[in-house]
Amino acid sequence: QQQVKQSPQSLIVQKGGISIINCAYENTAFDYFPWYQQFPGKGPALLIAIRPDVSEKKEGRFTISFNKSAKQFSLHIMDSQPGDSATYFCAVAYSSGSARQLTFGSGTQLTVLP
Amino acid sequence: DAGVIQSPRHEVTEMGQEVTLRCKPISGHDYLFWYRQTMMRGLELLIYFNNNVPIDDSGMPEDRFSAKMPNASFSTLKIQPSEPRDSAVYFCASSYKNEQFFGPGTRLTVL
Repeated sequence: QQQVKQSPQSLIVQKGGISIINCAYENTAFDYFPWYQQFPGKGPALLIAIRPDVSEKKEGRFTISFNKSAKQFSLHIMDSQPGDSATYFCAVAYSSGSARQLTFGSGTQLTVLP
Repeated sequence: DAGVIQSPRHEVTEMGQEVTLRCKPISGHDYLFWYRQTMMRGLELLIYFNNNVPIDDSGMPEDRFSAKMPNASFSTLKIQPSEPRDSAVYFCASSYKNEQFFGPGTRLTVL
């Protein structure tokens, strides 16, 4: 069973536009919802994360919106830039001690056109 | 800190050969994770360690795969014998508390 479903698979946005990537999960025990950014030839890097006690978190141009009842969360990239072109992964986890076993979505390849 | 260090960055080998991937986590991190990334299956957690002890290896695909962490600054992932379907990018990540920091990965090609 796929624990987290991510869409779309690919996304093309004009410079200055808004990029929106969505994820849905099944297990209500998850309590940590990060987004990772991966550039070609590099490892994923944490972009922003949210816990289920808040509905939104913003860091610069990046915002996570979280809908606990719908079991969905999304990443919004405002004023998208060509440098944002990368693959984005959502992930879900539940705490086990201080470890966070991440289960990743399938990824979204974002292309921002200049 | 230099971040998570992985070696080699690229490995090309023939089917049946033994492959050893290496990882040096960030100093002070108490968790270490091994992932595999493929187009078909995405990012998969293979195994993780806490304070050098393997905690969950349920993601290890077969007995051909083994991982060790002899000390806090070094871990290996070994595939013996390797098969073409093992071709993938293998990532090591380390963490202390919340955030996992990924290494640059090892791109493995098994011919």
